[in-house]
Amino acid sequence: QKEVEQNSGPLSVPEGAIASLNCTYSDRGSQSFFWYRQYSGKSPELIMFIYSNGDKEDGRFTAQLNKASQYVSLLIRDSQPSDSATYLCAAPEGANNLFFGTGTRLTVIP
Amino acid sequence: DAGVIQSPRHEVTEMGQEVTLRCKPISGHNSLFWYRQTMMRGLELLIYFNNNVPIDDSGMPEDRFSAKMPNASFSTLKIQPSEPRDSAVYFCASSPRQGSPLHFGNGTRLTVT
Repeated sequence: QKEVEQNSGPLSVPEGAIASLNCTYSDRGSQSFFWYRQYSGKSPELIMFIYSNGDKEDGRFTAQLNKASQYVSLLIRDSQPSDSATYLCAAPEGANNLFFGTGTRLTVIP
Repeated sequence: DAGVIQSPRHEVTEMGQEVTLRCKPISGHNSLFWYRQTMMRGLELLIYFNNNVPIDDSGMPEDRFSAKMPNASFSTLKIQPSEPRDSAVYFCASSPRQGSPLHFGNGTRLTVT
């Protein structure tokens, strides 16, 4: 049973639009969630984390967490071609590990 | 801060050969993780260490895989003998404390022919 599930995409949006990336998780006890961005051929890099229900904003990025429905999402406003990457959702597994989803590939079309 | 350092960046070897991947975590980070990434399975945790002690190695696929962390600044992942299905990108990551975000190295792309 997968712990974290994401739509693999690809997701294509035009430049300037809002990109919406979604993730569901199975462990109701999960308290924190992380979004990583991975450019092709590069390593994952942390862009957002969220611990509380509701929204968390950081520049053009907004993470949304709904613990009752067990989903977490990432919104990217004013999408840029440089946002084209694979976005990985991660949730804690056990005491110290992160379980990663398989990622959603985003393409922003100029 | 140099970040997590992995070597080599690329490794091409023949089936049956021994492969050793190396990792230097960020100084002061207490936890170290080895992940494997493939197109089919995404990022999979192989093993992680806390304060140099292996905590969970349930992700290590077979006895051909072994990992060590002799001190706080160095870890190795060894595959012996290697097989073509081991071809993947292997990432090392570290974190300062339990539950903190992971910081990834640049990865080692392993190709076994």
